[in-house]
Amino acid sequence: DAGVIQSPRHEVTEMGQEVTLRCKPISGHDYLFWYRQTMMRGLELLIYFNNNVPIDDSGMPEDRFSAKMPNASFSTLKIQPSEPRDSAVYFCASSRTVNTEAFFGQGTRLTVV
Amino acid sequence: KQEVTQIPAALSVPEGENLVLNCSFTDSAIYNLQWFRQDPGKGLTSLLLIQSSQREQTSGRLNASLDKSSGRSTLYIAASQPGDSATYLCAKLNNAGNMLTFGGGTRLMVKP
Repeated sequence: DAGVIQSPRHEVTEMGQEVTLRCKPISGHDYLFWYRQTMMRGLELLIYFNNNVPIDDSGMPEDRFSAKMPNASFSTLKIQPSEPRDSAVYFCASSRTVNTEAFFGQGTRLTVV
Repeated sequence: KQEVTQIPAALSVPEGENLVLNCSFTDSAIYNLQWFRQDPGKGLTSLLLIQSSQREQTSGRLNASLDKSSGRSTLYIAASQPGDSATYLCAKLNNAGNMLTFGGGTRLMVKP
């Protein structure tokens, strides 16, 4: 398996634009997580899915953020409209079950100017 | 409130030295604890995972221990090498659900 795949690796966009980040989890993993990493706050969980169903989105900072998982092999994190303070590295991770290793993608570095 | 704390934030050692990275957490009701490595501009790589019922895990030159009662975990790196230079993060999985809470990381530099 190629691991967790995220795209794009880098995204630069203007304030107010819509941004969509994509993730393909490892096949067979039932859990998918979206994290955000900043220098100030470190790694924060935004939302996670179990069998494509959102379980906990309490980490989503604002209504501007939304995440979907239409099937077991694809998830998106959308920011609309984007703001400069959304600039961060966004990681997607997946795991087989609740208590097994979480595998992370390479991340998407988002810069909103 | 900082649930997971890693000290020191940065560490520089000469090659060959054995070293210990520390991780402490405030809530001892954890499901497991995981150590990750992150290289600059890269994603996280899982190193070791310790279940709450375990005391330690070993992989090569790495050994991670877990003491739930004191809320501490350590990552021991033997015979450090320049290639070990990276940021090391610990993360606890809470008992109630599937939430990984990360520490701030320790940035390690091993000098040749």
